[in-house]
Amino acid sequence: KAGVTQTPRYLIKTRGQQVTLSCSPISGHRSVSWYQQTPGQGLQFLFEYFSETQRNKGNFPGRFSGRQFSNSRSEMNVSTLELGDSALYLCASSFGRPGTDTQYFGPGTRLTVL
Amino acid sequence: GEDVEQSLFLSVREGDSSVINCTYTDSSSTYLYWYKQEPGAGLQLLTYIFSNMDMKQDQRLTVLLNKKDKHLSLRIADTQTGDSAIYFCAENAAGNMLTFGGGTRLMVKP
Repeated sequence: KAGVTQTPRYLIKTRGQQVTLSCSPISGHRSVSWYQQTPGQGLQFLFEYFSETQRNKGNFPGRFSGRQFSNSRSEMNVSTLELGDSALYLCASSFGRPGTDTQYFGPGTRLTVL
Repeated sequence: GEDVEQSLFLSVREGDSSVINCTYTDSSSTYLYWYKQEPGAGLQLLTYIFSNMDMKQDQRLTVLLNKKDKHLSLRIADTQTGDSAIYFCAENAAGNMLTFGGGTRLMVKP
C-alpha cells in the first residue's frame, strides 16, 4: 500500500507571496492533518480535515487555510508569506477515529521564504 | 494546556540499550506514540501504547508507561548506528490532534 505523498517536496517563495501544498493520504484514510515543524517551535498542529470538513484547528493565523477533496486529498494554503513561515510542513493521514487512531506521516514539504 | 517534554540529547555506544524519556501532562490522553525522524525525512511511526497498558514490547522496542507520574519511556535494545535519529513522543489528548515533545536526538557511536 502506498504511503502518504506530499508535493512539492521543496519550495522557495518570497515574502508576500502565497503557496499551496498538496497531500495525498493512504488509500482508505479519510482524515488528513497538517503540522508545521520549525527549529524554534517544534512540531505544531495546524488543522485536521475529515470528510471534506475541518474538524480541528490549531493556533495559527487565518493566513493558513486548507481544504479536503472528495477523494480525501488535501491542500493547505498560506497567503501573504512571512519569513517565519519557513518550515517543514508535514501531513498525516489516518482513518479518522478520534482518540483511537494512528497517524502516518508523509515526507513533508520544505518551504523556504526569502 | 498540554505540554510534552523530552530531554534534548542522548549518546550511546553501538550494542548498548538506549532509553528515551518523556513526560506529558494531559491525563485524558488515550494513546501515546513514539515517532522517529531521520535527517530530511518525515516522521516514521515506531510504536504506540494505549493508556490502560503499562508496557508494550515490539521486537527491539519496549515502551513503558507510568500513568500516575505521566511518564513514558522508549527502550531500544542492541542499539545500532541506523537508530541514530530524532525521537518524538506524542499524545492525542484532543480528538485526532497530536501534541509532540521537542524531540530527543539519539547519537549511536560505533
